[in-house]
Amino acid sequence: GESVGLHLPTLSVQEGDNSIINCAYSNSASDYFIWYKQESGKGPQFIIDIRSNMDKRQGQRVTVLLNKTVKHLSLQIAATQPGDSAVYFCAEKVGQLTFGSGTQLTVLP
Amino acid sequence: KAGVTQTPRYLIKTRGQQVTLSCSPISGHRSVSWYQQTPGQGLQFLFEYFSETQRNKGNFPGRFSGRQFSNSRSEMNVSTLELGDSALYLCASNYGPSYEQYFGPGTRLTVT
Repeated sequence: GESVGLHLPTLSVQEGDNSIINCAYSNSASDYFIWYKQESGKGPQFIIDIRSNMDKRQGQRVTVLLNKTVKHLSLQIAATQPGDSAVYFCAEKVGQLTFGSGTQLTVLP
Repeated sequence: KAGVTQTPRYLIKTRGQQVTLSCSPISGHRSVSWYQQTPGQGLQFLFEYFSETQRNKGNFPGRFSGRQFSNSRSEMNVSTLELGDSALYLCASNYGPSYEQYFGPGTRLTVT
């Protein structure tokens, strides 16, 4: 069945370093992918999205890469800051949004 | 522009009771979706409403129901509560054609 999974449940990075969060998906019919950030006590916050006709999309300090051949999605955060500490979810949309299990990103001082 | 609001923020209910949660979307948004978030199952889609019509429904029992009003506000109801219904219930809205969903802070439901 369809599923969206994340490679690592936790990730720790030093402040100022770049972070890479990975996600695997299995539904080849997915045509839209989204990354969300969820801080403690808050709802998920939209970070960046990408459609299946693209390989890469950049935002402010964030880049999403899509590799349809291996059904892999990644989120890169440049110059990670303490405020980036949160749980990051990838989600795919095929009719409805299906979320991955999340990666807890911790930024170390 | 005000964000998505959900009421109440916290709720404690007893097994067997029913509960109604409310969601007010961002002004102008006509689509509302509901999700259940638990540590074990993560974020799971419940249902989506657009212009008072249910467009999609997730894989939840019939005890979970929802509706949307003409002003786009939405409610979800859970009847005959079970301990496993304890979760954070999130509401998200979007304009409709746009895929970007904006989430509210959620309602934390505890069933004892």
